[in-house]
Amino acid sequence: AQSVTQLGSHVSVSEGALVLLRCNYSSSVPPYLFWYVQYPNQGLQLLLKYTSAATLVKGINGFEAEFKKSETSFHLTKPSAHMSDAAEYFCAVAFSRGGADGLTFGKGTHLIIQP
Amino acid sequence: GAGVSQSPSNKVTEKGKDVELRCDPISGHTALYWYRQSLGQGLEFLIYFQGNSAPDKSGLPSDRFSAERTGGSVSTLTIQRTQQEDSAVYLCASRGFLDTQYFGPGTRLTVL
Repeated sequence: AQSVTQLGSHVSVSEGALVLLRCNYSSSVPPYLFWYVQYPNQGLQLLLKYTSAATLVKGINGFEAEFKKSETSFHLTKPSAHMSDAAEYFCAVAFSRGGADGLTFGKGTHLIIQP
Repeated sequence: GAGVSQSPSNKVTEKGKDVELRCDPISGHTALYWYRQSLGQGLEFLIYFQGNSAPDKSGLPSDRFSAERTGGSVSTLTIQRTQQEDSAVYLCASRGFLDTQYFGPGTRLTVL
């Protein structure tokens, strides 16, 4: 079965430090990859998406992610963390084009920002 | 513009009762998805609608779960004879350009 792995259920960084959240996926190159953010008691908000147009993808709130085919990775980064970035982050993959199989999600990474 | 809306936002029910959850997708989106989010299982895909049709219902957790969509718009997820393990947040999403899914705020279901 296809799978998405997020390394680290919790990541803690200091305010102003680099944020790195890791995501790896199984199988061959999938059509689309996504990062979503979830704030407490809210739904999922799209941060960014990879659609094969460019390997480095820029999203909202200063986040970006790089697709690396050789490493089957799609890690999320932000140069300087803000307190408002504290949330749960999910990597998701659409393994089949057309979307009939839904998205496969990683288990999420809780980002903690230390003042 | 209006996003995906879901109602109710919270639902507390007693074990054995039926519940109905509603999703209003983004206008014009023909594809709609239901997911379940729970502490133990993370985010699970339940069912997909293209228009009013759901080609594959195998993702539904049991035969107590059913879903329908009418008029290519509103969808309802029904859980019959609820059990405590059904307690979760149920998320709905509709799909736009390049397979991007936009999520609603979810319905938090608590079965006592």
